Amino acid sequence: KQEVTQIPAALSVPEGENLVLNCSFTDSAIYNLQWFRQDPGKGLTSLLLIQSSQREQTSGRLNASLDKSSGRSTLYIAASQPGDSATYLCAVFLSTLTFGKGTMLLVSP
Amino acid sequence: GAVVSQHPSWVICKSGTSVKIECRSLDFQATTMFWYRQFPKQSLMLMATSNEGSKATYEQGVEKDKFLINHASLTLSTLTVTSAHPEDSSFYICSARDIQVTEAFFGQGTRLTVV
Repeated sequence: KQEVTQIPAALSVPEGENLVLNCSFTDSAIYNLQWFRQDPGKGLTSLLLIQSSQREQTSGRLNASLDKSSGRSTLYIAASQPGDSATYLCAVFLSTLTFGKGTMLLVSP
Repeated sequence: GAVVSQHPSWVICKSGTSVKIECRSLDFQATTMFWYRQFPKQSLMLMATSNEGSKATYEQGVEKDKFLINHASLTLSTLTVTSAHPEDSSFYICSARDIQVTEAFFGQGTRLTVV
């Protein structure tokens, strides 16, 4: 059974810092990996999708990497802003999406 | 990205009544939709997979008679919580996947409170 782990569970940083969120998964047989953002009481917003054949994807200040063989992915956020405060979820897809528990990020002004 | 609309965004109902939640894909055809439940500070737990024109596949431990799922068209899936009880209070989120696309798109979620 696929298990997804996200570290750290919570992170608090001052504005402007670069930060890394980690995601690991136990079964490397995946089609893709997706990073989401969830604001309190809201649904999920897709940030980045990495296909299993890809190594990384970039969107603005976000960069996600994937090392499928080792079962790891990282989400890099550059020059963090208070508006980045949210919970970040990592999910891997084979027949269904399996989610990690998320990293709660707080960026203080 | 594609848009998935979920309605209502929140609902309060009395214990014993039924509640229907709708999930629509607005700009693509979703052959498969997924329904998730999320408890506070927990991750999303898959409840069932809904395929257009066929019966939903429920995850272990999910009561199919309590959580009725209908996927009548390529753009609409509904989740009906029947005879709701306070323990059914939760955040329910749907997701839609286009067969052409491998990316999953999510609705904005429905906060259900059963009193």
